[in-house]
Amino acid sequence: GAVVSQHPSRVICKSGTSVKIECRSLDFQATTMFWYRQFPKQSLMLMATSNEGSKATYEQGVEKDKFLINHASLTLSTLTVTSAHPEDSSFYICSARDLAGISTDTQYFGPGTRLTVL
Amino acid sequence: AQSVSQHNHHVILSEAASLELGCNYSYGGTVNLFWYVQYPGQHLQLLLKYFSGDPLVKGIKGFEAEFIKSKFSFNLRKPSVQWSDTAEYFCAVNLHRGGYQKVTFGTGTKLQVIP
Repeated sequence: GAVVSQHPSRVICKSGTSVKIECRSLDFQATTMFWYRQFPKQSLMLMATSNEGSKATYEQGVEKDKFLINHASLTLSTLTVTSAHPEDSSFYICSARDLAGISTDTQYFGPGTRLTVL
Repeated sequence: AQSVSQHNHHVILSEAASLELGCNYSYGGTVNLFWYVQYPGQHLQLLLKYFSGDPLVKGIKGFEAEFIKSKFSFNLRKPSVQWSDTAEYFCAVNLHRGGYQKVTFGTGTKLQVIP
């Protein structure tokens, strides 16, 4: 089956620093990748949708200058949390969809990245 | 705005008991419906999905879900749960509006199956 990886799985950083999270599709070409954020005891909230080679589409309320998304290749998307603050601490999950998945609405999820900002 | 409600936040069942987890959504247009499962320490996996056709959808591991359009519901069922079904279950709805799509997740239901 389709596999999506995320790196790192866990990161702790100081307030004010930037953190980059990678999302890779290992055995398929991800034309679209999605970034979600999950707070404790809450659901996944879609942050942005990125298509390979184009700018990401951010959901309402998500600061695009704070959460930089790059989808430079068909197997890699990155989320950079810039000038991180403690309120950015959360669980970030990516998912990927291939061309076939557009008609079937199939997303494959990564294992998530736990970000803790001190 | 589109919303997805899962009313049961935490369900505890004994093995062999029957399961039904509720899911209701608020949008009246074209939707695709999903149930995802997250086993302890693992990532989200697709359990089943509904696009069109037979409103009773069968998924993996003996799960099924029924789409009732008039009730805006997509409840998940399993006749007899096993200890290995202990996991968190998320209902999700993909709203289609013109060329725009957005997947909205429910808050999840933690299922604990007692041997």
